[in-house]
Amino acid sequence: EIVLTQSPATLSLSPGERATVSCRASQSVGSYVAWYQQKFGQAPRLLIYDASNRATGVPARFSGSGSGTDFTLIISSLEPEDSGVYYCQQRSSWPPFTFGPGTKVDIK
Amino acid sequence: QLQLQESGPGLVKPSETLSLTCTVSGGSISSSSNYWDWIRQPPGKGLEWIGTTYYSGSTYYNPSLKSRVTISADTSKNQFSLKLTSVTAADTAVYYCARRRPAEYFQYWGQGTLVTVSS
Repeated sequence: EIVLTQSPATLSLSPGERATVSCRASQSVGSYVAWYQQKFGQAPRLLIYDASNRATGVPARFSGSGSGTDFTLIISSLEPEDSGVYYCQQRSSWPPFTFGPGTKVDIK
Repeated sequence: QLQLQESGPGLVKPSETLSLTCTVSGGSISSSSNYWDWIRQPPGKGLEWIGTTYYSGSTYYNPSLKSRVTISADTSKNQFSLKLTSVTAADTAVYYCARRRPAEYFQYWGQGTLVTVSS
């Protein structure tokens, strides 16, 4: 099973600041990583697929990069509605699909 | 627009079987190249993939749950279901159903349903 770790666990930033979330895989997953945003009480929402492609309707302030074992999600200029938990997920080797533990983004 | 909706008991006793159904609207579960998945999230914790059924009928499960899980589809009702046997408090979670295409990710999700395991 491929294990995903994320850092930091929590990020507290002001509107307009840049958020950087990291995801590391226990072995190479190529570019087969997605990022999801989950707001309180809601289902996760797909933001980024295959490491760097924005899903339909996702604002341009969200971007992803990386390959192999190290991946990054960047929110270039935080908006108040970006508050939530962000998860990475790999589809390189399954079953099982695995998710990272999540990074909570708080907007001050 | 594809929509998924989970339904089932919100409370299950320990050692019993958890049964949930996902009703799909806006699309057919028997249409080609669709996987129909179950994912769960214990309160305050992260996401765990449970398993999937492909439109062809193939199923794949998380090895950690494989001995207790069955996922099946009812094309006449446009539904797919999850059964998890011998539940314990550790199975308390919000259960989500989702749709995924081959070589893709979980794009469509249900709203989730909380199942509590308690006597």
